[in-house]
Amino acid sequence: GEDVEQSLFLSVREGDSSVINCTYTDSSSTYLYWYKQEPGAGLQLLTYIFSNMDMKQDQRLTVLLNKKDKHLSLRIADTQTGDSAIYFCAEMRMNRDDKIIFGKGTRLHILP
Amino acid sequence: SQTIHQWPATLVQPVGSPLSLECTVEGTSNPNLYWYRQAAGRGLQLLFYSVGIGQISSEVPQNLSASRPQDRQFILSSKKLLLSDSGFYLCAWSGASGTSAHNEQFFGPGTRLTVL
Repeated sequence: GEDVEQSLFLSVREGDSSVINCTYTDSSSTYLYWYKQEPGAGLQLLTYIFSNMDMKQDQRLTVLLNKKDKHLSLRIADTQTGDSAIYFCAEMRMNRDDKIIFGKGTRLHILP
Repeated sequence: SQTIHQWPATLVQPVGSPLSLECTVEGTSNPNLYWYRQAAGRGLQLLFYSVGIGQISSEVPQNLSASRPQDRQFILSSKKLLLSDSGFYLCAWSGASGTSAHNEQFFGPGTRLTVL
């Protein structure tokens, strides 16, 4: 299919690492994104990775890309209560006029 | 710097009433503009996108329409709302193809629409 797939829920204890996984389908994708949506708000771009990269790190965030398996992950180190949000994986598809296709989002719940 | 505005922030409308949601972008020219809907418990669904004034592409058949009367204004409309139109509507912009901002989408704060 053409979907970007990600699990809907993830619960993590405060201080642990969170790993949110995503699979995509289009091998022509150029950019892959992680967006964060806090309750009642719009989406905020967290980070993105170009398709010729394997990894990108930005402070507590690490993005891993396995292009062969079309698998993208977001690792949040030392998860904090402020990380509680919905995280969207997305891909830009060159064969669809560079439109960005979003997954359904993973709701990250932080346990005390 | 660029900013994107949406209004109203929340809206409660009866079934069969018209709709007009507005989105404006400041600080950039000739942006690509997008309307998304986020239904409860579901992901983002791209409804419309526009690469220029008067140029609208529809992604899915539906009860809604979009217009772009000015370069940085994008309007989502309906003549008669359905219950299924309820949701969180997000406007977004990106730079035109070939610009440095082409590869990111920047989202507005959203409009929560409830159709009763």
